[in-house]
Amino acid sequence: DIQMTQSPSSLSASVGDRVTITCRASESIRTYLNWFQQKPGKAPKLLIYAASHLQGGVPSRFSGSGSETDFTLTISSLQPEDFATYYCQQSYSTFHFTFGPGTKVEIK
Amino acid sequence: QVQLQESGPGLVKPSQTLSLTCNVSGDSVSGGSYFWSWLRQPAGKGLEWIGRIYAGGSTKYNPSLESRVTMSVDTSNNQFSLRLTSVTAADTAVYYCAREVEDIVVVPGAVGPYRWFDPWGQGTRVTVSS
Repeated sequence: DIQMTQSPSSLSASVGDRVTITCRASESIRTYLNWFQQKPGKAPKLLIYAASHLQGGVPSRFSGSGSETDFTLTISSLQPEDFATYYCQQSYSTFHFTFGPGTKVEIK
Repeated sequence: QVQLQESGPGLVKPSQTLSLTCNVSGDSVSGGSYFWSWLRQPAGKGLEWIGRIYAGGSTKYNPSLESRVTMSVDTSNNQFSLRLTSVTAADTAVYYCAREVEDIVVVPGAVGPYRWFDPWGQGTRVTVSS
């Protein structure tokens, strides 16, 4: 199984801050990495696919980068609606997709 | 606009079978470059992929659940289903259905099509308890 880790597990930030979340894979997944946002009581929402491609309708303040084992999700200017939990997910091993444990972004 | 909606019992007794259905609107389960997946999330925890089914009936399951999982697709009613046998308290979770998109993305180093989950159903909470 490809194991996914994320750091930090949680962070506190203010509106307008630049936020960076890191995701690491236990082996190379090239750029087969997706990012999701989940708000309490809601289903996850796709933000980024193929490591850096913004899903339609997602604000441009979200961006993704990385390849092989190290990836980042960046929010350039945090907005009130961005407070949520963020998950990375590898799609390299199509026999067994796996997710990171999540990063909770809270209001400072 | 594609929408998915899960349905099924919210309470299942230990050792019994959990059965859920996902109704799809705005798209056909029998067409396109899509797979249809189930995922789950225990309260306060992360996400786990359970498996997928293609319109033709081919399936792939999470190895950790494979012995207990069966998925099926009903093209006449545009829905797909999940059965999980011999449930325990560890199977208590919110269960989501999702469309698994497969597409070509022109990226240096790509070794095949990319896949992602979009959209998701709203989720249905299932508790395993006597």
